[in-house]
Amino acid sequence: EAGVAQSPRYKIIEKRQSVAFWCNPISGHATLYWYQQILGQGPKLLIQFQNNGVVDDSQLPKDRFSAERLKGVDSTLKIQPAKLEDSAVYLCASSSGQGRADTQYFGPGTRLTVL
Amino acid sequence: DAKTTQPTSMDCAEGRAANLPCNHSTISGNEYVYWYRQIHSQGPQYIIHGLKNNETNEMASLIITEDRKSSTLILPHATLRDTAVYYCIVSPSRDTGFQKLVFGTGTRLLVSP
Repeated sequence: EAGVAQSPRYKIIEKRQSVAFWCNPISGHATLYWYQQILGQGPKLLIQFQNNGVVDDSQLPKDRFSAERLKGVDSTLKIQPAKLEDSAVYLCASSSGQGRADTQYFGPGTRLTVL
Repeated sequence: DAKTTQPTSMDCAEGRAANLPCNHSTISGNEYVYWYRQIHSQGPQYIIHGLKNNETNEMASLIITEDRKSSTLILPHATLRDTAVYYCIVSPSRDTGFQKLVFGTGTRLLVSP
């Protein structure tokens, strides 16, 4: 079974530029998550999708971050314009969305450096 | 969501059991205990979860105290590849809403030869 795929793996941009990350979840997984992980900290949830609808985006900085999950499969996360403090690893995860206890499967992440 | 407390770091000799503690004294009755780990430069990896009973799988064992206020993750025979940050997380059952994992800073486990 293929895991969660993310691209690109690394990205370096100047501040005020825009950037987009792509995620392909495990086939059949209804729930998709985007996390931000700053160096030395645990991952922080940015947004959660159930199929193509947003369940939780309370910690997404909506003035600069946006995310979509068209057709309930792939997802993109965009930052426009980027700030220095956006330097982090952006992790995508997916889960089946079934069962009382639901485990999440993470991709390798995209490491973003904002100069 | 209930908060967890873990030691910042631990050391373990290769081949020995690694016992990672977690305190979750404010856990609610419908909250599961999850353990994930993150090897350097990789995404977090699910290890195990439990509600009340002790659990075991091919990776580890999870021991939950009877009052559910603490738990211990046991790696029975640690290898160098088990060097990672281990996260203990409590999260409500999906019966009460969508699962949400709140990661702390975890325990950095170093397995040495």
